[in-house]
Amino acid sequence: GESVGLHLPTLSVQEGDNSIINCAYSNSASDYFIWYKQESGKGPQFIIDIRSNMDKRQGQRVTVLLNKTVKHLSLQIAATQPGDSAVYFCAENIGFQKLVFGTGTRLLVSP
Amino acid sequence: DTGVSQDPRHKITKRGQNVTFRCDPISEHNRLYWYRQTLGQGPEFLTYFQNEAQLEKSRLLSDRFSAERPKGSFSTLEIQRTEQGDSAMYLCASSLADPGAGELFFGEGSRLTVL
Repeated sequence: GESVGLHLPTLSVQEGDNSIINCAYSNSASDYFIWYKQESGKGPQFIIDIRSNMDKRQGQRVTVLLNKTVKHLSLQIAATQPGDSAVYFCAENIGFQKLVFGTGTRLLVSP
Repeated sequence: DTGVSQDPRHKITKRGQNVTFRCDPISEHNRLYWYRQTLGQGPEFLTYFQNEAQLEKSRLLSDRFSAERPKGSFSTLEIQRTEQGDSAMYLCASSLADPGAGELFFGEGSRLTVL
C-alpha cells in the first residue's frame, strides 16, 4: 500500500516498549483534542479524545496528557505492538465546528 | 458496513478533466466534512455541512471546487478543470452536531491522481 507521510518525524520502538508521541497545538482557545491513527492507504481512525478542562485521560493501553500552559499534547501507548505501527495525528477543535490537524508522527514498532 | 463510505477509492484523470467524488456518511450524523490530504501532511479542512447547509469553506477551496449535500444525506465534491496540484487523498468525515460529541468518523478516502 501507499505510504502516508514519507517525510514525517519518526519514532522507532521495540515491541513491548512504551511509546510517547508529542504534539504542539496552536490555538489557546481550542477546547477539544483528538488523537487519530492512520494506517497506509486508510482514513484516520479515532484513538482517544480529551476536553480542555482535563489534563489526563486514559483508555485501553493509551493515555493522553494535555498541558494547556505550554499548549502541548502527548499520546502514551503502553506495551506497543507491531499493529500500532502507523502515522499518528493530533487534532484540535474550537467550538466543535471542525478539526485542525497537526503534523503527524510515524510510529515504527519492531518485533 | 455502517461507516462512512467514499467512492471511487481511486481516480486517475488527465489534467483539465472534471472529477466527482461521493461520500455517504453514517446515517444518523448530520454533519459532513471534506478534507484533503497530501503526502507527508495531516488532513486539511476544505468544507463542512450541517444537514444540507454548507456552513464553512476553506480558502483552499478554489472556484474549481464545489461541494453539495442536496438532501442532507450523501455529499459530492466536484473538481473542475483538474490540475496536477489537485492530486491528493480526499477524505470525507461525519459527526453528530452535538457539541459534546466532537469525534469525526472518517471514510477510507478517494485518491486522485492528475496526470
